[in-house]
Amino acid sequence: GEDVEQSLFLSVREGDSSVINCTYTDSSSTYLYWYKQEPGAGLQLLTYIFSNMDMKQDQRLTVLLNKKDKHLSLRIADTQTGDSAIYFCAERKNGGSQGNLIFGKGTKLSVKP
Amino acid sequence: EPEVTQTPSHQVTQMGQEVILRCVPISNHLYFYWYRQILGQKVEFLVSFYNNEISEKSEIFDDQFSVERPDGSNFTLKIRSTKLEDSAMYFCASSDPGTGIAEAFFGQGTRLTVV
Repeated sequence: GEDVEQSLFLSVREGDSSVINCTYTDSSSTYLYWYKQEPGAGLQLLTYIFSNMDMKQDQRLTVLLNKKDKHLSLRIADTQTGDSAIYFCAERKNGGSQGNLIFGKGTKLSVKP
Repeated sequence: EPEVTQTPSHQVTQMGQEVILRCVPISNHLYFYWYRQILGQKVEFLVSFYNNEISEKSEIFDDQFSVERPDGSNFTLKIRSTKLEDSAMYFCASSDPGTGIAEAFFGQGTRLTVV
């Protein structure tokens, strides 16, 4: 079945770039997403990429998609302490309804001043 | 900015009791979802709801679970005869079908603790 894997922890210094990696198994996924969860809050959609794209940039965020290796990454430039959160990679389940997303366990990003 | 709201934020219940988790989706959204996250595990899809009926459900969503849109604003998840393993964070989400990417807006979650 489909599965999404990501490392659990990442620690960076303020001002550095953060790169959060994710692998997925369903090669037919159409959309891949990055969600952010701050303490006590829900999941906030950060960005998404359509499967026919290799890269998407949105201000400090860059998403890279390697379909051959089924690898997705999220790069946050000039990481700030406010970026500390859990970041979830997700793919839309093949053939599933709009919101049937398969999530990874989440990567906890800690930003040190 | 419109948001999905969930109540209560934390619910403690005894094993075997029924619980109802409540959600108010974003007003012009037409798709509604429930997810759960057991501590330390992945966020898992439970069910999607559209046009007053379930459009899809996962294997987790068995007869113990039901969903309802009792009025024009609320969307509820009922868990009958709760078990210890139902303890989890439950997230409600909604989306606008007109949005091609199906951006799902999530609530802040209800932490259910079954004792």
